[in-house]
Amino acid sequence: GQNIDQPTEMTATEGAIVQINCTYQTSGFNGLFWYQQHAGEAPTFLSYNVLDGLEEKGRFSSFLSRSKGYSYLLLKELQMKDSASYLCAVRDSNYQLIWGAGTKLIIKP
Amino acid sequence: GAGVSQSPSNKVTEKGKDVELRCDPISGHTALYWYRQSLGQGLEFLIYFQGNSAPDKSGLPSDRFSAERTGGSVSTLTIQRTQQEDSAVYLCASSLLEDGAYEQYFGPGTRLTVT
Repeated sequence: GQNIDQPTEMTATEGAIVQINCTYQTSGFNGLFWYQQHAGEAPTFLSYNVLDGLEEKGRFSSFLSRSKGYSYLLLKELQMKDSASYLCAVRDSNYQLIWGAGTKLIIKP
Repeated sequence: GAGVSQSPSNKVTEKGKDVELRCDPISGHTALYWYRQSLGQGLEFLIYFQGNSAPDKSGLPSDRFSAERTGGSVSTLTIQRTQQEDSAVYLCASSLLEDGAYEQYFGPGTRLTVT
């Protein structure tokens, strides 16, 4: 079967750096997405990786290793507004997005 | 421009009743997706429309669930004979294309409560 694994919850301090990991086992691979979802709101797009390596976008970076079935989202200079759930999703060979359950990130002052 | 809109935002219904949920995708987006999200859970794929192709219904949990997309735009998700386990937030998303780096844009969702 297809599977996306992420930690359920993480806690970090304002101003610090946090890395959220995602491992996947899917039927084929056509890209990996990270989305942010604040409580009670819809997910919003953060990043897309299809080739190995690091994609940097401001305070957020996303890394992919296809051979390891592994990605991480790196958040720098954490702000209180970064408290949210972070969803990892992999597009399989049928171009269907397989979603992880999300990682709830709690930022403490 | 206008984003994805969904209606109603909240729906409370009695067990056994039918409900219809509506989604208006972003104009020009050919791909449309329906998901279900239970409290504290990830997204569960339900159905996917791409242009004029036959929809991918592989995620529909039972034959009580159906969806259509009229004119390649508005979509309606219908749940017949609702059950309490159908209670969840139903999210619709649209995308310009299904492949490439085109992300899905989500609507605000419909919170369905079956009593």
